[in-house]
This record gives sequence, structure tokens and C-alpha cells, in this order.
Amino acid sequence: NAGVMQNPRHLVRRRGQEARLRCSPMKGHSHVYWYRQLPEEGLKFMVYLQKENIIDESGMPKERFSAEFPKEGPSILRIQQVVRGDSAAYFCASSPPPEVGGYTFGSGTRLTVV
Amino acid sequence: EDQVTQSPEALRLQEGESSSLNCSYTVSGLRGLFWYRQDPGKGPEFLFTLYSAGEEKEKERLKATLTKKESFLHITAPKPEDSATYLCAVQAGNTPLVFGKGTRLSVIA
Repeated sequence: NAGVMQNPRHLVRRRGQEARLRCSPMKGHSHVYWYRQLPEEGLKFMVYLQKENIIDESGMPKERFSAEFPKEGPSILRIQQVVRGDSAAYFCASSPPPEVGGYTFGSGTRLTVV
Repeated sequence: EDQVTQSPEALRLQEGESSSLNCSYTVSGLRGLFWYRQDPGKGPEFLFTLYSAGEEKEKERLKATLTKKESFLHITAPKPEDSATYLCAVQAGNTPLVFGKGTRLSVIA
């Protein structure tokens, strides 16, 4: 039973390019969460999705960032026109319905903008 | 706004030297308090969930406790392999988990 799968593990982009981060939740989990972690900072919530629905995007920057979780396939976090400040570790987590509580995290994607 | 404060930021222990990590929280309607362990370059690994004041959970050398305002992670006779960053998070209702900045634990042989 594979855990939460994120790819790529490492991603290097030049300023102005687009970054696409992918996340496949654990089998049986229908809820996906994206978090960003900067050095010496805690995990900051970005967006919460269910299949074909964005439930809470209160932590997502208003510009350049978007997320989706289509009916088929992985969840995608997309960052357009990346800037140096976007360099961070991006973690995806999944859970069964929220009543159960507790998330399972992936290993993260480390984005470096040069 | 839900807030989580962890202390100390960093802790250095000798092998076998027991200690506690603190997590203070402010949340409206606590649904659960979570402890995770994070190793360098990896994602957080779930340790415990606590739901109500007075609850305790144990796993090997770790014991988590919960009051109405804070949680403690007690580490008994730690070993070098316990070195990691320990993260605390709270959940209110169905809102996403809110994390503290973590405590970096180093256990020296």
C-alpha cells in the first residue's frame, strides 16, 4: 500500500518559468492538502481539495498559484512565472474524510528557483 | 486565529537524558492535537493524536499529554536515533491542520 506519492522530488526552475508539482494521495483517501515549508519556518497551509473541488484556498497566494484535483489523476500545484521567493519545500498530505483526523504526508518536492 | 507555539526551538540532549517539548495552542473548538516527527529532507511522520484534556498516548520512548492550553511530548532516555524535528499541529472543526514551527532535537551519544 503505497503512501502519498509526490513528484518530482527536486525541481529547478529559472525565474519566469512554470513549476508543476504532482501528488497522488494514499489509496482510499479523498482529501488532499498542500503545505509550503521554508527554512526555519513551520508548515504553512496553502490549499485543501477534494476530487474536482477546491474546499479551502485561504493560504494560497492570490496570483500565480493554482491547484486542482481532477476526477482522474493526481493533484497538481501549479506556480506560474516563478520568483526566487517561491523556493521552498512543498508537501502534499492526504486523509480520509476529515472526521477521522490526521494526515499522511508525502516526501515533498523541493523547488529551487535560479 | 488559531495559533501554535512550540518551545524550545532547539534542544540538545545527552543520550539517556530525559526531557519534554512544549506545544502551547490557541484554538476555538479544539478537535484534535497532533504530533509529527520530521527528519531532514523528508515529510512529517505521524506520531500521535490527542482529542481531550487529560488524554495521554505512548509510543516507545515518547509520551504525549494534553491540557486545555498546551501539550507536552516527553522523551524518556532518548537515543541518537530520536534526533529529528518534532512538529505540533491543531485542528478546529473541519479546518486544515495549523502547525507550529517545531522543536529541533539533537541527541548526542
